Amino acid sequence: NAGVTQTPKFQVLKTGQSMTLQCAQDMNHEYMSWYRQDPGMGLRLIHYSVGAGITDQGEVPNGYNVSRSTTEDFPLRLLSAAPSQTSVYFCASRPGRPASYTFGSGTRLTVV
Amino acid sequence: AQSVTQLDSQVPVFEEAPVELRCNYSSSVSVYLFWYVQYPNQGLQLLLKYLSGSTLVESINGFEAEFNKSQTSFHLRKPSVHISDTAEYFCAVRGYNNNDMRFGAGTRLTVKP
Repeated sequence: NAGVTQTPKFQVLKTGQSMTLQCAQDMNHEYMSWYRQDPGMGLRLIHYSVGAGITDQGEVPNGYNVSRSTTEDFPLRLLSAAPSQTSVYFCASRPGRPASYTFGSGTRLTVV
Repeated sequence: AQSVTQLDSQVPVFEEAPVELRCNYSSSVSVYLFWYVQYPNQGLQLLLKYLSGSTLVESINGFEAEFNKSQTSFHLRKPSVHISDTAEYFCAVRGYNNNDMRFGAGTRLTVKP
């Protein structure tokens, strides 16, 4: 049982480039979320999904897109990378409430 | 929406001393509460959670937290810490009818020999 798998683990982008951070879970969880972690700010919610085909914005959605075509996958797209998007990104999933989230191991993104 | 305030950004303690990491939350609805731990260069692991029932919850490695509704707090305690408890600890809250979870800024616990 792999849990929540994030790829890549590390990525360096140039300003203006686009990329997709991958997230997959094999636990048949309904709910999935993307967070970014920055020093002194904890984790902030970017986007979340309550099931296939349904997504919504979190606290800091600007500059990011998501889609949920299957229960298993929840990719995060950076449309035009900016240095302010340098961060560690975590994907998480959970079953129906009440329940806690299971986190992936993270993607460390640097935008230069 | 809910919000979380962790009152201490850093807590240094000596090994075998007791520790308390403070967490206050704000919400207009009933909530679920969580503590997560993050070891260096790793993801977040669930430490303990309050979903309903007894207001005192415990983890397998000796931590406990008490849900205090009147004070809107969920402080984390351990009577005797070990070097291996050195990590960053995050308090999180989610409303009963909300689908997102909000985190505090984190408390870095450093246990010194």
